[in-house]
Amino acid sequence: EVQLVESGGGLVQPGRSLRLSCAASGFTFDDYAMHWVRQAPGKGLEWVSGISWNSGSIGYADSVKGRFTISRDNAKNSLYLQMNSLRAEDTALYYCAKDPYYDFGLGPYGMDVWGQGTTVTVSS
Amino acid sequence: QSVLTQPPSVSGAPGQRVTISCTGSSSNFGAGYDVHWYQQLPGTAPKLLIYANSNRPSGVPDRFSGSKSGTSASLAITGLQAEDEADYYCQSSDSSLSGYVFGTGTKVTVL
Repeated sequence: EVQLVESGGGLVQPGRSLRLSCAASGFTFDDYAMHWVRQAPGKGLEWVSGISWNSGSIGYADSVKGRFTISRDNAKNSLYLQMNSLRAEDTALYYCAKDPYYDFGLGPYGMDVWGQGTTVTVSS
Repeated sequence: QSVLTQPPSVSGAPGQRVTISCTGSSSNFGAGYDVHWYQQLPGTAPKLLIYANSNRPSGVPDRFSGSKSGTSASLAITGLQAEDEADYYCQSSDSSLSGYVFGTGTKVTVL
């Protein structure tokens, strides 16, 4: 069964850091690009970051550029999101999503597998 | 702020046909990037509904169809059913943002 399981969310104070993880199973992880997508409470979906199969191509939303870092460890079938200088507006449910394509950028096929998400709350 | 604009809500009676529009620009649809559609049922993760403008993943009923023309796209649901009540999002790539973008989202209500 193809599965993505996020972890690492929690309550954190503004200005602090948090690292999210996404464990992949049921498919050849290093064949595909991966993404992080978030959803603030009661709001719509926001693409956060994407990374190609070999980490050679990476992108970020303007709202997180310079604060968040996406990475992957293909040997561990895992995707990560290092979040620094967190703000109240980063409070959201963070989803890990698989791209059916190997590269990041063209996005020809959408995101075909999603995890259940991990909740990040930024508050003092 | 999303660069793909959708109507906040649409509604229809069971069996009817509804359409959801997604308006983009020259940096996404107009640049040739494809549109994809997602369905998000209450309390669940999004699900890919249509990819590459008009293609349905395995298991998606043929009641759902998509199209794209110029800087706009649309999702149609024919034979509306109670289980179709959900939020729907369009998504594409955008050259000005050097990344991906989601639409503002549309809530479909079955009357």
